[in-house]
Amino acid sequence: GQSLEQPSEVTAVEGAIVQINCTYQTSGFYGLSWYQQHDGGAPTFLSYNALDGLEETGRFSSFLSRSDSYGYLLLQELQMKDSASYFCAVRDQDDKIIFGKGTRLHILP
Amino acid sequence: DSGVTQTPKHLITATGQRVTLRCSPRSGDLSVYWYQQSLDQGLQFLIQYYNGEERAKGNILERFSAQQFPDLHSELNLSSLELGDSALYFCASSVQWGAGEKLFFGSGTQLSVL
Repeated sequence: GQSLEQPSEVTAVEGAIVQINCTYQTSGFYGLSWYQQHDGGAPTFLSYNALDGLEETGRFSSFLSRSDSYGYLLLQELQMKDSASYFCAVRDQDDKIIFGKGTRLHILP
Repeated sequence: DSGVTQTPKHLITATGQRVTLRCSPRSGDLSVYWYQQSLDQGLQFLIQYYNGEERAKGNILERFSAQQFPDLHSELNLSSLELGDSALYFCASSVQWGAGEKLFFGSGTQLSVL
């Protein structure tokens, strides 16, 4: 079957760095995306990795290892506004864009 | 504002009823996706349309159907509603399908089935 696994919750301190992991098992793979969703809000796109390696966008970076079917989202200099749920997503060979169940990030002051 | 418009924002109805959720994609976007999000659940893929044609289908119930019209807006029809259908329904759009596309989500329709 197809699945994306990510931790359900992660807690970190304001100003610190946190990593949210995602492992996937899909039929076909085109790339790994990350989305952020605040409570009561809509998901918003953060990043996309099609090739192995690290992509950096400001305080956020995303990494992909296709051989390990693994990726992560790295958030640096955490701010209270980063408290949200983070979802990894992949498009499979049937063109379905499948999301993980999400990781809820709690940030402590 | 993502540019994707969903109506209505809230919908309260009774079991057995039928409702229609509407989505207008961003200007120029040809693909529309529908997702269901239940409490503390991830985004469950329902269906995708590209330029009026069904492109991909998830575990969408037979009681649910959707279509994309020539003006590219889309409607999701939910019939014979059950309590378990209560959820947040999101529509998303993208320019095209294919690797690397970025989905823009609407603000969702909160459906409550009583």
